[in-house]
Amino acid sequence: NAGVTQTPKFQVLKTGQSMTLQCAQDMNHNSMYWYRQDPGMGLRLIYYSASEGTTDKGEVPNGYNVSRLNKREFSLRLESAAPSQTSVYFCASSAQGAGELFFGEGSRLTVL
Amino acid sequence: AQSVTQPDIHITVSEGASLELRCNYSYGATPYLFWYVQSPGQGLQLLLKYFSGDTLVQGIKGFEAEFKRSQSSFNLRKPSVHWSDAAEYFCAVGAWNAGNMLTFGGGTRLMVKP
Repeated sequence: NAGVTQTPKFQVLKTGQSMTLQCAQDMNHNSMYWYRQDPGMGLRLIYYSASEGTTDKGEVPNGYNVSRLNKREFSLRLESAAPSQTSVYFCASSAQGAGELFFGEGSRLTVL
Repeated sequence: AQSVTQPDIHITVSEGASLELRCNYSYGATPYLFWYVQSPGQGLQLLLKYFSGDTLVQGIKGFEAEFKRSQSSFNLRKPSVHWSDAAEYFCAVGAWNAGNMLTFGGGTRLMVKP
């Protein structure tokens, strides 16, 4: 029962470096999401993909790009990391129209 | 735009005591409402959800929540708290026409005293 798998779990970057967070789900879900979690702010949507081949901006997309590689995989890329991007990132997936999100365990990113 | 407010950032209760976590939402149409729980270092797990019908919904781990449209609230309750309930709790709102995108509240961290 893998569900939603994120890699890496921890990463430390220097300002200006780039990196990609990987996410894969094995539940045959159509929709996938990237959220960031910051203390006191809950989770904020960065990007989402309603179905394979489509991606859309969420609430806080600046500084990020995404790729929906196939139905299973949805990656998040930071092209030039900034300290403001220090956060915990969560990938989630859902079946079309079902409402409920299934979350990965998170990726903790620190940008120095 | 939809929004969710969880007025209590931290709550401490004694083990065995009752619990109520508050959630207020703002949304023009009938929302979908959720409560998630996050244990330290873990992802979020769904406790319960409201889509329609009976306004009192039962969830896992003995939790329940009541949807009150007139108060725009969806408060989470548990009659008797266990030490293992210590975690962070998030209320979220979504809508059918919003592509399953959920808006989350800021969270309430629950601590349980022995």
